[in-house]
Amino acid sequence: ETGVTQTPRHLVMGMTNKKSLKCEQHLGHNAMYWYKQSAKKPLELMFVYSLEERVENNSVPSRFSPECPNSSHLFLHLHTLQPEDSALYLCASSQGLSYNEQFFGPGTRLTVL
Amino acid sequence: GESVGLHLPTLSVQEGDNSIINCAYSNSASDYFIWYKQESGKGPQFIIDIRSNMDKRQGQRVTVLLNKTVKHLSLQIAATQPGDSAVYFCAEKEESNDYKLSFGAGTTVTVRA
Repeated sequence: ETGVTQTPRHLVMGMTNKKSLKCEQHLGHNAMYWYKQSAKKPLELMFVYSLEERVENNSVPSRFSPECPNSSHLFLHLHTLQPEDSALYLCASSQGLSYNEQFFGPGTRLTVL
Repeated sequence: GESVGLHLPTLSVQEGDNSIINCAYSNSASDYFIWYKQESGKGPQFIIDIRSNMDKRQGQRVTVLLNKTVKHLSLQIAATQPGDSAVYFCAEKEESNDYKLSFGAGTTVTVRA
């Protein structure tokens, strides 16, 4: 595997379910990001981790809970989501926080029923 | 509100013609700009970037132009090919602001055969 991978690619869940999104980067980067991409809206930054420490929590509701166990892996734990949370969730990584270019994974298409 | 925006949400181009995608930004402190391409089912992919000390930068079949006076950015694609069909995003940041990229909503480019 190369680059940034995300699993699952598609997820359908009910509002009472608990699920997790996984991201893995194979680039040796130190910073990882979660973005939300909704239809016809700009990418919204959700969380940022640098060297496994969270440096940004962009006013995201607590029903989204990130976890970064090491610099290669990033999770987004989901519970009691709302239908408006349906979106494409993108993971990205960069060499470090001060590096401009972010490399994106293919995303997880989430549908909340 | 958004600090970055695109003039047109969609663009239809004849194969072989040149494409021009426009982007306006409002943050005069932005000093780094980047264009991403997002194909269907994939995450955004870096195309080209430019810093505010430059007016023009060329890559392979792509050129980015920056007009700081009117806070306008454009991406030109030469000899557009079917594989260029995608959504194109501009993003901007202040390089002193580490990781915070602000994205536009995107322009969907469709190449006609």
